[in-house]
Amino acid sequence: AQKITQTQPGMFVQEKEAVTLDCTYDTSDPSYGLFWYKQPSSGEMIFLIYQGSYDQQNATEGRYSLNFQKARKSANLVISASQLGDSAMYFCAMREPHGSGNTGKLIFGQGTTLQVKP
Amino acid sequence: DVKVTQSSRYLVKRTGEKVFLECVQDMDHENMFWYRQDPGLGLRLIYFSYDVKMKEKGDIPEGYSVSREKKERFSLILESASTNQTSMYLCASRMDRPYTGELFFGEGSRLTVL
Repeated sequence: AQKITQTQPGMFVQEKEAVTLDCTYDTSDPSYGLFWYKQPSSGEMIFLIYQGSYDQQNATEGRYSLNFQKARKSANLVISASQLGDSAMYFCAMREPHGSGNTGKLIFGQGTTLQVKP
Repeated sequence: DVKVTQSSRYLVKRTGEKVFLECVQDMDHENMFWYRQDPGLGLRLIYFSYDVKMKEKGDIPEGYSVSREKKERFSLILESASTNQTSMYLCASRMDRPYTGELFFGEGSRLTVL
């Protein structure tokens, strides 16, 4: 069965520094998608970045980049130049394949709480 | 602006009550989901629906049922609420294609069962 693991319950980072949030996944399917979401204290879920399993390059979106290491089954989120507004909970998620008995559902990790210090 | 609306932000119910959590999306999305969020456990999938009148069990369906009579509405039903169902419930939707499409979430419904 597919599984997503985030091993860092909480992290601190100094403002303007870069931070890496870890995510490992487990799947036997060659086709899957990986997502990162941000959840501020207000509770809304904000989509940050997506990486497909066949994508050759690491995804980037502004200050967010995804360090995709397929052989190691890791999809770490890198936030550059941290800002106070980056303080939030971050979730890694994986979409399983769709079709041939697979449902295409999205499963989430446990989350990592990031606090940015001024 | 895309929108997923959950009917109640906060609910307090008593053990044994029947509870309805409603979710409506205005984006004509085929797929809709119900998750519950608990500290340390992340988001866990309860049920999802590919399209109208279709439903699939997620990872923790016990104690829950769902209804999707119209494309825009996906309801989560707790037939007999129990204290261990106290949680934050999140509804989400997405297009069926492309597969890269992200989920759009509602604001969540925090349920307390006494």
